[in-house]
Amino acid sequence: AQSVTQLDSHVSVSEGTPVLLRCNYSSSYSPSLFWYVQHPNKGLQLLLKYTSAATLVKGINGFEAEFKKSETSFHLTKPSAHMSDAAEYFCAVSGGRGGGYQKVTFGIGTKLQVIP
Amino acid sequence: GAVVSQHPSRVICKSGTSVKIECRSLDFQATTMFWYRQFPKQSLMLMATSNEGSKATYEQGVEKDKFLINHASLTLSTLTVTSAHPEDSSFYICSARPGQVFSEQYFGPGTRLTVT
Repeated sequence: AQSVTQLDSHVSVSEGTPVLLRCNYSSSYSPSLFWYVQHPNKGLQLLLKYTSAATLVKGINGFEAEFKKSETSFHLTKPSAHMSDAAEYFCAVSGGRGGGYQKVTFGIGTKLQVIP
Repeated sequence: GAVVSQHPSRVICKSGTSVKIECRSLDFQATTMFWYRQFPKQSLMLMATSNEGSKATYEQGVEKDKFLINHASLTLSTLTVTSAHPEDSSFYICSARPGQVFSEQYFGPGTRLTVT
């Protein structure tokens, strides 16, 4: 069994300040972990993924996430928020390597608001 | 690379009619495609997994006779919502996975279905 908990349904930050979106996971296997971004009425775009290589993963648009096994966490961060970062963010877990071996389970999403 | 398209992007249909949604992998062959449903302000819920040339595997609670999935080629999967009702109104997203066992999923832009 696998699950994802996104601890905040809504996060609001000022433009230029750091972003932290929290995600905790549960998996029976060595997990693959993902962060996706979704803009209104659009599909999902992969920001970054962890697949048992380096624990600090760098993604697109300046985002990064750190896999912490002891805390079962995979929080998403960005040093400086931009207005274009306003969107819905989904954390996801898959029980196998690369995310392709097992089905992917998504969290409920965190809506990021960026205030000018 | 790794582009997935969906058609149509929006569709409005009358209650009792059927509607077909297409999912295409444009620049890769997808042995596996996934269909998700997303309600407003909620996460993606996996409906079914389809493998090319075989019957789809439906998640618990998803009516296979209502949501017909066909994966007739390595680049095309279709979802047909039969005898649509207003409660079927939702955002439907497909994803596709290339043939490699541990490859990731690539998501389509989604289809907004409204049943009146």
